Amino acid sequence: ETGVTQSPTHLIKTRGQQVTLRCSSQSGHNTVSWYQQALGQGPQFIFQYYREEENGRGNFPPRFSGLQFPNYSSELNVNALELDDSALYLCASSLDFGHGLGGTGELFFGEGSRLTVL
Amino acid sequence: DQQVKQNSPSLSVQEGRISILNCDYTNSMFDYFLWYKKYPAEGPTFLISISSIKDKNEDGRFTVFLNKSAKHLSLHIVPSQPGDSAVYFCAASGGGADGLTFGKGTHLIIQP
Repeated sequence: ETGVTQSPTHLIKTRGQQVTLRCSSQSGHNTVSWYQQALGQGPQFIFQYYREEENGRGNFPPRFSGLQFPNYSSELNVNALELDDSALYLCASSLDFGHGLGGTGELFFGEGSRLTVL
Repeated sequence: DQQVKQNSPSLSVQEGRISILNCDYTNSMFDYFLWYKKYPAEGPTFLISISSIKDKNEDGRFTVFLNKSAKHLSLHIVPSQPGDSAVYFCAASGGGADGLTFGKGTHLIIQP
């Protein structure tokens, strides 16, 4: 068990709606990142927050946005949902970002939120 | 364009034998590599990593080998145990805040 918790575990939305997914990081971790895992694919990097600021982003449109709070918990918001947004959304926390800054690069993942868009 | 490739979607190995999972990458800026293991309905869990300044890292039954010139790494599990049955993801990092780039995974099945 990693200490990273995500909610909700499953949810169903319709196209055009908005969704908010939540993540509670492992105690002491100041960095949170979000990944999208489509069926049969590996996790794909969405973005990363370090001390409440977004400091890295993958190839995802602006309708994917996030927040990190002072207690290092985090939210992922997706607006104008599309059918292709159906996926498992994984939150991962770490102590400092990237191995080049003294971190190990190791991420601690939650169990994910399974989003189905109809 | 996949920068991290795991070309074997599945691999079946007999219990007690060696399991070898392979991974290739194309981005020469990657300098840190990790293996994650995932059981159904759970998030990926970290297994082992290797920096590009090394060519081997060992942790108990798990060993990762890195061949930089070939842009290839492999994970060896010996001896394989039934609890090793899972999906294994290879991931790579170029440092900083660019996140990890994952392969599609290899489903390892350990046969009794």
